[in-house]
Amino acid sequence: AQKVTQAQTEISVVEKEDVTLDCVYETRDTTYYLFWYKQPPSGELVFLIRRNSFDEQNEISGRYSWNFQKSTSSFNFTITASQVVDSAVYFCALSEFSNTGNQFYFGTGTSLTVIP
Amino acid sequence: EPEVTQTPSHQVTQMGQEVILRCVPISNHLYFYWYRQILGQKVEFLVSFYNNEISEKSEIFDDQFSVERPDGSNFTLKIRSTKLEDSAMYFCASTGTRQNIQYFGAGTRLSVL
Repeated sequence: AQKVTQAQTEISVVEKEDVTLDCVYETRDTTYYLFWYKQPPSGELVFLIRRNSFDEQNEISGRYSWNFQKSTSSFNFTITASQVVDSAVYFCALSEFSNTGNQFYFGTGTSLTVIP
Repeated sequence: EPEVTQTPSHQVTQMGQEVILRCVPISNHLYFYWYRQILGQKVEFLVSFYNNEISEKSEIFDDQFSVERPDGSNFTLKIRSTKLEDSAMYFCASTGTRQNIQYFGAGTRLSVL
């Protein structure tokens, strides 16, 4: 079973539109972390946010906001007033607690294209 | 800002050859990881390394793969006899504590011909 599901494979929006990227996760652990990473066309993975399982407070950082809901096992990512530079593949990831380091489980990614 | 460095950025090799992918994690980090991303697919965990030994590995990480921390700074991934299906982007990551953020390198694109 997939631990992290990103049902949206590709999304296209026109610049300045808002867009929400969905992420649903599955874990039996009570302590875990959720992440979003951005992968621009250049290929590197850029950290965006980390959330631990005990902190359901939503977070806003500039045009980015995240909605964490344990009741639905979702950690959705919204970009407000999208820009062309937001075009990238976005990965949601789950990290379960381990004594010897955290293994990351990545979703399949959502490819976002922002059209000028 | 400290960063994880991977070399080379692109490696081309013939099937059956051995390759070594190199990573320099962030200097005070203790946990090290390798991930693989086949073109257009998701990032997949290969192996984690802590206290000079493998702590976890995935099904992908078979006998053809090995990792090493030969000195205090480098962390390497060796593929003994490359196959066509090993062609992928390989990411190294490191973290300072179990709960901390994994910082990823820019990746090495491996092309097996």
